[in-house]
Amino acid sequence: GEDVEQSLFLSVREGDSSVINCTYTDSSSTYLYWYKQEPGAGLQLLTYIFSNMDMKQDQRLTVLLNKKDKHLSLRIADTQTGDSAIYFCAEAYSSASKIIFGSGTRLSIRP
Amino acid sequence: GAGVSQSPRYKVTKRGQDVALRCDPISGHVSLYWYRQALGQGPEFLTYFNYEAQQDKSGLPNDRFSAERPEGSISTLTIQRTEQRDSAMYRCASSQGQVNSGNTIYFGEGSWLTVV
Repeated sequence: GEDVEQSLFLSVREGDSSVINCTYTDSSSTYLYWYKQEPGAGLQLLTYIFSNMDMKQDQRLTVLLNKKDKHLSLRIADTQTGDSAIYFCAEAYSSASKIIFGSGTRLSIRP
Repeated sequence: GAGVSQSPRYKVTKRGQDVALRCDPISGHVSLYWYRQALGQGPEFLTYFNYEAQQDKSGLPNDRFSAERPEGSISTLTIQRTEQRDSAMYRCASSQGQVNSGNTIYFGEGSWLTVV
């Protein structure tokens, strides 16, 4: 079935690293995504990874993919107050042109 | 246009009324998607168009929901006989091609629907 799961909340101290985790169910997923949603704003694509990769780095963002365990993570280095948002994990199926989202992880930053 | 444009941004309607939500995708994008996002939830897939063809409507909750894209550009999502449970943000997205080929989906700002 179609299911993408994430923990609902994460709180980190400013300057620390944040790690947001996600599990998905479709082993034939082709692309996996991280989207960011700030209060009152739209969905912003942060980064994505192709399923034949196991890591992708983009400035402060590192995506790790464990295809065997169907586990995706997003690491944000040196977390800043501007990183406060809801982060959505999403997967694209090989068999259908749609992406399925998780429920989102709300990241809050402590001073 | 520069981005995906949706209208109206906010709509309050009485239960039982029909509503139509409009989406104008990014120019040249052949794929168009509708999602619904309730408060505290992730976006839920509703339907997908490739040009004017509705290729997947598996996410439409019931037959009160319909969508069209007659000329392969602008799309309208129609909800008939609205119910309070239909209250949500309705998001439209578009992409140059199919996402399973690596094309990125770009989302609009969404239309907030409140049914009273």
